[in-house]
Amino acid sequence: DIQLTQSPSFLSASVGDRVTITCRASQDIFSYLAWYQQKPGKAPKLLIYAASTLQSGVPSRFSGSGSGTEFTLTISSLQPEDFATYFCQQLNSYPPLAFGGGTKVEIK
Amino acid sequence: QVQLVEAGGGVVQPGRSLRVSCEVSGFTFSSYGMHWVRQAPGKGLDWVAVIWNDGSNKYYSDPVKGRFTISRDNSKNTLYLQMNSLRAEDTAVYYCAREAITAIQGVFDYWGQGTLVTVSS
Repeated sequence: DIQLTQSPSFLSASVGDRVTITCRASQDIFSYLAWYQQKPGKAPKLLIYAASTLQSGVPSRFSGSGSGTEFTLTISSLQPEDFATYFCQQLNSYPPLAFGGGTKVEIK
Repeated sequence: QVQLVEAGGGVVQPGRSLRVSCEVSGFTFSSYGMHWVRQAPGKGLDWVAVIWNDGSNKYYSDPVKGRFTISRDNSKNTLYLQMNSLRAEDTAVYYCAREAITAIQGVFDYWGQGTLVTVSS
């Protein structure tokens, strides 16, 4: 099964900062990757799929890139509502579907 | 608007059974594959099971295979997860999620609010 490793697992940042989260796959998953945002006590929300396609309604400050085994989620200018936990998900080998361990973004 | 509402969670003893459900509205349920995803307290997301839009195919994660059964009733717009032989490690919030109709399978575009299942004596 494909394993996903996110880094960092925790980061502290300020409003307006540029933030980058990395997701590494244990084998080539081409561009079959999605990103989700989860706030405390809430369900995850789809941000990006196919590595770089922005889901409808998601602000353009979110972007995704990468292919193969290394992917990034970038928030160009962190906003107060962006403090949350972010998960990547592999879509190549299905089933099973695997998620990364998560990256918690907190206020510095 | 699209809504997914889970129900049926609670406290159950190890070895017992529980069925959770997910009632949907705002879209044509019979056109979409549906999934269950769980999240243990303070942990990450774990995919549990999928059922095709017409119920013709079902797949499970290894930890639940043989114990859990996913099903659906398209006439009632409802998804189910029957959980048998429950273990402490099954304690989690269980989310139902709709699979988006995109060129790539497995993308979850809508999620329910989750229902908490606690396995404890």
